[in-house]
Amino acid sequence: AQSVTQLGSHVSVSEGALVLLRCNYSSSVPPYLFWYVQYPNQGLQLLLKYTSAATLVKGINGFEAEFKKSETSFHLTKPSAHMSDAAEYFCAVSSLSGGSQGNLIFGKGTKLSVKP
Amino acid sequence: DAEITQSPRHKITETGRQVTLACHQTWNHNNMFWYRQDLGHGLRLIHYSYGVQDTNKGEVSDGYSVSRSNTEDLPLTLESAASSQTSVYFCASSESGEEETQYFGPGTRLLVL
Repeated sequence: AQSVTQLGSHVSVSEGALVLLRCNYSSSVPPYLFWYVQYPNQGLQLLLKYTSAATLVKGINGFEAEFKKSETSFHLTKPSAHMSDAAEYFCAVSSLSGGSQGNLIFGKGTKLSVKP
Repeated sequence: DAEITQSPRHKITETGRQVTLACHQTWNHNNMFWYRQDLGHGLRLIHYSYGVQDTNKGEVSDGYSVSRSNTEDLPLTLESAASSQTSVYFCASSESGEEETQYFGPGTRLLVL
């Protein structure tokens, strides 16, 4: 069965610093992986997704993530944090259980704070 | 533009009452999902549907029901509201397929007193 672990429920960085949010997955077959962002009092929106094409995936707002099969990781990075990046970030893996047509399994989320 | 909407956005109810949360999407997506979001638990799947007349139980389905009579709508019903069902509820929709993006509504904040 697939699962997702996000290391660190809270991450705090200074404005302009590197953002690194960690996600490890468990899957017996090559997975589809997603990062979603949730701004306060809003729904989730897609940042980026890996669908077995390029291992380095670029998303919106300057974020990118690298699929590393050997490490079963899909960490999210951004070279320089902006105050507007403060939000909660969710990693998700597509469920590959029999009959699934697109169910997602979410991690518990990482709340990113950006200090001026 | 296509969108997914939820109503009401905020709801206060009493224990034991039946409550229905609406979800409407204009993407013409086959798949629709209901999640609840609670601190420390992330998003947990309540029910989902892969098409008209199709409904399935998710991880935390006890006390909830859904019905799918058309492509656009998947209402979520709390049969007899309990305080443990105080939460933020999100509806989502997607095309069929494991690689497809789910599009989320803005959420409904429910308080059960």
